[in-house]
Amino acid sequence: DTEVTQTPKHLVMGMTNKKSLKCEQHMGHRAMYWYKQKAKKPPELMFVYSYEKLSINESVPSRFSPECPNSSLLNLHLHALQPEDSALYLCASSQEGMVPYEQYFGPGTRLTVT
Amino acid sequence: TQLLEQSPQFLSIQEGENLTVYCNSSSVFSSLQWYRQEPGEGPVLLVTVVTGGEVKKLKRLTFQFGDARKDSSLHITAAQPGDTGLYLCAGAGGGSNYKLTFGKGTLLTVNP
Repeated sequence: DTEVTQTPKHLVMGMTNKKSLKCEQHMGHRAMYWYKQKAKKPPELMFVYSYEKLSINESVPSRFSPECPNSSLLNLHLHALQPEDSALYLCASSQEGMVPYEQYFGPGTRLTVT
Repeated sequence: TQLLEQSPQFLSIQEGENLTVYCNSSSVFSSLQWYRQEPGEGPVLLVTVVTGGEVKKLKRLTFQFGDARKDSSLHITAAQPGDTGLYLCAGAGGGSNYKLTFGKGTLLTVNP
């Protein structure tokens, strides 16, 4: 089973709202990722968690706050977003310690900031 | 900084035609992954190539990794409308196991 699930599928939020994106995988992967993707562009890495610890933060603004409650779950908390943050947010996971680190993506959450 | 040049950026062909997508770099990658992404969905991993000179086939899709592990190609034989999507190559290596270097993508449209 190579499935990563994400909820919600679509999210519309105002600039003063607080919302969260959720990601879950049951492949036993210990590395999890958040990406941001604009239309017809490749995904841009935001955060990487390895063994539930934040490993990489690609200088993402603090209005995005990641959280990894356990090895299967990954959240992205959103507050005070800007319209330019509207994008497809993708979660991915990969095994640790096994080269190549193949990344499996979820279906994404389409976020619109109004 | 590693870069992957992917070409062509856009491709519109008729059903039944063949096509090739290229990814080229001046950097060596430890592996290279190919993804297909449909509108509004996440990228789906098609294949990973690891060994220089490696060729992998997935039905009508043939993937090749260059001998020097700096370039790769995807060839589709007898394209079908279901092949329509954004094709992304992504290279791994360069000091981090987690960071993929993505090409800019090839948006393929196969017309019936």
